[in-house]
Amino acid sequence: DTAVSQTPKYLVTQMGNDKSIKCEQNLGHDTMYWYKQDSKKFLKIMFSYNNKELIINETVPNRFSPKSPDKAHLNLHINSLELGDSAVYFCASSQGAGFGEAFFGQGTRLTVV
Amino acid sequence: AQSVTQPDIHITVSEGASLELRCNYSYGATPYLFWYVQSPGQGLQLLLKYFSGDTLVQGIKGFEAEFKRSQSSFNLRKPSVHWSDAAEYFCAVGPNQAGTALIFGKGTTLSVSS
Repeated sequence: DTAVSQTPKYLVTQMGNDKSIKCEQNLGHDTMYWYKQDSKKFLKIMFSYNNKELIINETVPNRFSPKSPDKAHLNLHINSLELGDSAVYFCASSQGAGFGEAFFGQGTRLTVV
Repeated sequence: AQSVTQPDIHITVSEGASLELRCNYSYGATPYLFWYVQSPGQGLQLLLKYFSGDTLVQGIKGFEAEFKRSQSSFNLRKPSVHWSDAAEYFCAVGPNQAGTALIFGKGTTLSVSS
């Protein structure tokens, strides 16, 4: 069983469209994250949820909206996609309040054309 | 400000040779330190971690890392590199308190030559 799974793995879409990426973890963790990896492979935290509550909200455009229906799921919805949104988006989870290591999904490569 | 520096962007090592990847951090409190590996098209896999105690930590795939508080470093080592070790390596710091997340270095690309 995959511990942290994301869908889709690849997403190609046109500018202006709205898209969602889904993430699920079966590790029983309380904290989940979205990271963005840019073209230079730099990883930056976007959001974090602990037990469905938003606890980290970095400087991210309002077009990005995370949603956590329960503590095992964290989805990312992106409105009005722009070329600069092209990146790999990683979902991750960690135990408790977020201490310690994070377990990462396989990533979603988003390409905006 | 919290930060992680990986001074080497790209390293090439011959198969069978030893490897050391450098990592320096800046963190206000006692850090939790991690090394992750990312193979092409894959997610990040944890190689090893340091929370406290013995400053030399062993990880998976024959990797080890040493925490040196005086140098704010957490360098990754492997005595003999295999071709399958070619990948992107990320050093990360934190979180050691609620409401924080991992801060990553910019990564080091490891190439292995035969």
